[in-house]
Amino acid sequence: DAKTTQPNSMESNEEEPVHLPCNHSTISGTDYIHWYRQLPSQGPEYVIHGLTSNVNNRMASLAIAEDRKSSTLILHRATLRDAAVYYCILRIQTGANNLFFGTGTRLTVIP
Amino acid sequence: GAGVSQSPSNKVTEKGKDVELRCDPISGHTALYWYRQSLGQGLEFLIYFQGNSAPDKSGLPSDRFSAERTGGSVSTLTIQRTQQEDSAVYLCASSSRTGFSSNQPQHFGDGTRLSIL
Repeated sequence: DAKTTQPNSMESNEEEPVHLPCNHSTISGTDYIHWYRQLPSQGPEYVIHGLTSNVNNRMASLAIAEDRKSSTLILHRATLRDAAVYYCILRIQTGANNLFFGTGTRLTVIP
Repeated sequence: GAGVSQSPSNKVTEKGKDVELRCDPISGHTALYWYRQSLGQGLEFLIYFQGNSAPDKSGLPSDRFSAERTGGSVSTLTIQRTQQEDSAVYLCASSSRTGFSSNQPQHFGDGTRLSIL
């Protein structure tokens, strides 16, 4: 399984931008980078994904390094509802196509 | 619209009993996944279905675990002779397509919290 490395925890002040880093130095050419988040007592929720180019959607932005060995999830203005565990996942393109979850980054948003 | 629905939301049972966990995927989603999450741990993949067939059962932790899916819709995860280490949150996800080069997001239910006494 392609491995990702994330900080165990991060803090952010409310209404400030948050940059959540992820290292994936063993990424292969066909692995997509996915981000999910899990709020307390809920199932994971899809946030965003990308391959090579930076991506934006209504929830967040994904910045991917040119060598693809790292990426950053950007929340432009953190709200209290963004407090969650954020998972960076490399999605392989064969077999079950399932998600391999690591331990993620627990984001705390300070009012 | 309706998301992925799982039942029961909580289940407490005695060691040695059998349990059945149910997942109703989003209508029209052909791919269905089961994961489990033990306390303070990440999610562990168990099994996936494409339609009614399960090409990959390698994630099931023991032969006490089985799953089926009927009509390309509802899935049931069965655990026989439950043990205390089976205590976890069991999560189901569905997506509209799977297979090579699929990047359809997986939509998760809120899980069944299983406690074995």
